[in-house]
Amino acid sequence: GNSVTQMEGPVTLSEEAFLTINCTYTATGYPSLFWYVQYPGEGLQLLLKATKADDKGSNKGFEATYRKETTSFHLEKGSVQVSDSAVYFCALLLLTIQGAQKLVFGQGTRLTINP
Amino acid sequence: EAQVTQNPRYLITVTGKKLTVTCSQNMNHEYMSWYRQDPGLGLRQIYYSMNVEVTDKGDVPEGYKVSRKEKRNFPLILESPSPNQTSLYFCASSLSRTRGRDSAAFFGQGTRLTVV
Repeated sequence: GNSVTQMEGPVTLSEEAFLTINCTYTATGYPSLFWYVQYPGEGLQLLLKATKADDKGSNKGFEATYRKETTSFHLEKGSVQVSDSAVYFCALLLLTIQGAQKLVFGQGTRLTINP
Repeated sequence: EAQVTQNPRYLITVTGKKLTVTCSQNMNHEYMSWYRQDPGLGLRQIYYSMNVEVTDKGDVPEGYKVSRKEKRNFPLILESPSPNQTSLYFCASSLSRTRGRDSAAFFGQGTRLTVV
């Protein structure tokens, strides 16, 4: 089946630390991959995306590379800030023959950055 | 401003009392869907709609209904809510299949539902 597995949280780091949140997937077909971020009390927002193998998505200092050989899409940031504290979701998008768009989410990783 | 609007944001109700959560988007998106978010489970799709009058079940449809009479609106209906439907609900919209693999979803701010 189709699934996304994320690094267990919560993750707590100090400001300016290096961040990695691991994400691996299993999928039938060739999915697009996304990272969404959920700030406290808000809905999910798209952080970055990659639609094919070896694509790198980037936004707000975050990066993730679509690695087909390891079925991974790890999220990285070189120097985190307190404002990056949020829950991060890795997701894959499959397009079915019937025309449906199926987003499959990981369980989310809560990130807390201390000043 | 492009947005997906859900109402209400918070709702406490009793078992068996029918309720509707509204969802509206202003981006002319064809595709809309409902998710529930539960701790440790991420988001799971309840129902989706590919266009007006076209709806289908997601992964966890039991106990829910939807309708899509207009392109912008996609209400979620709980005919007889039960405590196991206590959850955080999100509505999302995106462009249609023609945009395919690049279709990022826009999410509403969520509705926290408690059924007692």
